[in-house]
Amino acid sequence: GAVVSQHPSWVICKSGTSVKIECRSLDFQATTMFWYRQFPKQSLMLMATSNEGSKATYEQGVEKDKFLINHASLTLSTLTVTSAHPEDSSFYICSARDLADYEQYFGPGTRLTVT
Amino acid sequence: SQQGEEDPQALSIQEGENATMNCSYKTSINNLQWYRQNSGRGLVHLILIRSNEREKHSGRLRVTLDTSKKSSSLLITASRAADTASYFCATDAGGGNQFYFGTGTSLTVIP
Repeated sequence: GAVVSQHPSWVICKSGTSVKIECRSLDFQATTMFWYRQFPKQSLMLMATSNEGSKATYEQGVEKDKFLINHASLTLSTLTVTSAHPEDSSFYICSARDLADYEQYFGPGTRLTVT
Repeated sequence: SQQGEEDPQALSIQEGENATMNCSYKTSINNLQWYRQNSGRGLVHLILIRSNEREKHSGRLRVTLDTSKKSSSLLITASRAADTASYFCATDAGGGNQFYFGTGTSLTVIP
């Protein structure tokens, strides 16, 4: 079955630093990937839609300069949290839409803790 | 916000009982999906129901969809302790097939 991986699975960083999270579709191609954020005991909130070769589309209220998204290939999208602050601590989950069948598959998530 | 709502927010039942959780959404959809999430873990896809379907079964799961009421329900029959998790509905209301998740139901099955 289609597999989406995320790296790292968890990361701790100091306030003010930047952190990059990778989302890879391992056995399929994805022109579109999605990034979600989930705070403890809350639901997943869509942050942005990442399209291969073009700029990401951000949901209302999400700062595009703070959450940099790069979809450089059909199998890789990256989310960079710039100048991270403790309030950015969250669980970040990506999903990838299979070019072949348009089904979406979710990654296992990355837990970010900013100290 | 396009986020849907689920109720109840939390549900606690005895093993062997059935669990029903409901999801309401705001806009027209192509399909609705249910996911399960164990605490601190990723999502597990449970079932997809398309807008032209009214009911779907998968093992102990039964999903209904009422597009006129913009609502769906997930029934888990003969619950087990291992069913303890959070359950989310997700709709693809966006033109770009974005998923919008409901608020979730936290299910606890007591052995």
